[in-house]
Parts: sequence; C-alpha cells; structure tokens
Amino acid sequence: GQQVMQIPQYQHVQEGEDFTTYCNSSTTLSNIQWYKQRPGGHPVFLIQLVKSGEVKKQKRLTFQFGEAKKNSSLHITATQTTDVGTYFCAWAAGNKLTFGGGTRVLVKP
Amino acid sequence: DTEVTQTPKHLVMGMTNKKSLKCEQHMGHRAMYWYKQKAKKPPELMFVYSYEKLSINESVPSRFSPECPNSSLLNLHLHALQPEDSALYLCASSQVWPTLAKNIQYFGAGTRLSVL
Repeated sequence: GQQVMQIPQYQHVQEGEDFTTYCNSSTTLSNIQWYKQRPGGHPVFLIQLVKSGEVKKQKRLTFQFGEAKKNSSLHITATQTTDVGTYFCAWAAGNKLTFGGGTRVLVKP
Repeated sequence: DTEVTQTPKHLVMGMTNKKSLKCEQHMGHRAMYWYKQKAKKPPELMFVYSYEKLSINESVPSRFSPECPNSSLLNLHLHALQPEDSALYLCASSQVWPTLAKNIQYFGAGTRLSVL
C-alpha cells in the first residue's frame, strides 16, 4: 500500500541555521499536507500542496511539491526556538489522512 | 472559531472501567475523526464519521465504540481496555470530501489516557 517516509527522523539544529525535512512516497500523491506538533501539543495544519512543482512560502518556511508529485520538502531558514516540534507530512485520500513518521526538530540555542 | 474541544484532558482508568471521551466542534464541519497517537509516533486513524454516519473503521477493536450524536459532537466509549491502549486520543474535524478545502483537519488538544 501507499507509504510515506519522512527523513530525517530527528534534526538537531543550531539556532539561526537552516534545515530541510523531506517526505517521500512510493507512488504519486494527489496532494500533500504539512502539520506541526509542538511538544505536548496537537497537530496544527500548516499548508497544503496539490500542484506538480508547487512552492509555497510562509515567512521562514518554504514548502515544495516535487514535479512527479512523489516527494515534498519543508525548508526552514534562520531556525528559532519556536520552531521546536515534530513536523509531519500527510496525504489525503478522500476523508482519510495518512501521516508520515515525522521529523522531530530540536533547536540548540 | 477554529476550535475543537476535547474532554477530559487526562483520564486514568482500570481495565474493568467504562469511560467516554468527548469531542465538540462548531465550525460546521460534517466529518469528524478519532486518532490514536503513541509517544514519538504519528497519529493513527481509528474512525471517520461523515454526515454523522460511520464511514471508516480502521479495524479498531470493539472495546472502542464511537458515537456521533449530532453534527457537532463525537464520543468514544471505552470498555475493558488494555494497558497497551494507553495513548493520546485526538479528535479532529474537517469539511467533507470533496471540497475546495480538501480535507484540512483541525485537531483538538487530545485526551491523554492511561490504562492501569
């Protein structure tokens, strides 16, 4: 069945540095969503991508959907302590949302 | 108002107890969901209700019994749980597929359940 893999599982980042987390699928996706879950919190929707090659930006966050719609990336510039948390990619088929394993981000001040 | 409210926030129960988790939303969403999340793992879908009817059951054991009394409320009845059922239980809501919003889900803060 459909598998969505996220790498890396853990990301230790120095405050002020950039990093990227990747989401890779074994098959073509109709859409990809990204959620952020703070420690002790709940998933919060960040963005949805549906078009091949689509790029969207939210302040220091840049989201990209691959040309083949099999992969997606989240790039964060100038990391801040508020970026701490787990970032999940997810894809929707009808009303069913399936999450990738997540990238847990730790920020070193 | 984009809030999904879950009660209780924490619950400790014995294996012979019966308890219920509650979820409420007032965003006019007609799809509601229950997820189970273990520590350091992604949320796992349990049930989906669409227009107050159960549309997806991800082979969840019968000791978990969902109920959708109306379009704003979702319950999860728990009976004879096992210690391995201890987890964070998340409720979510969304518009029903297909819509322009395409299944953007709004999550509640969750109920942290411990089964002793």
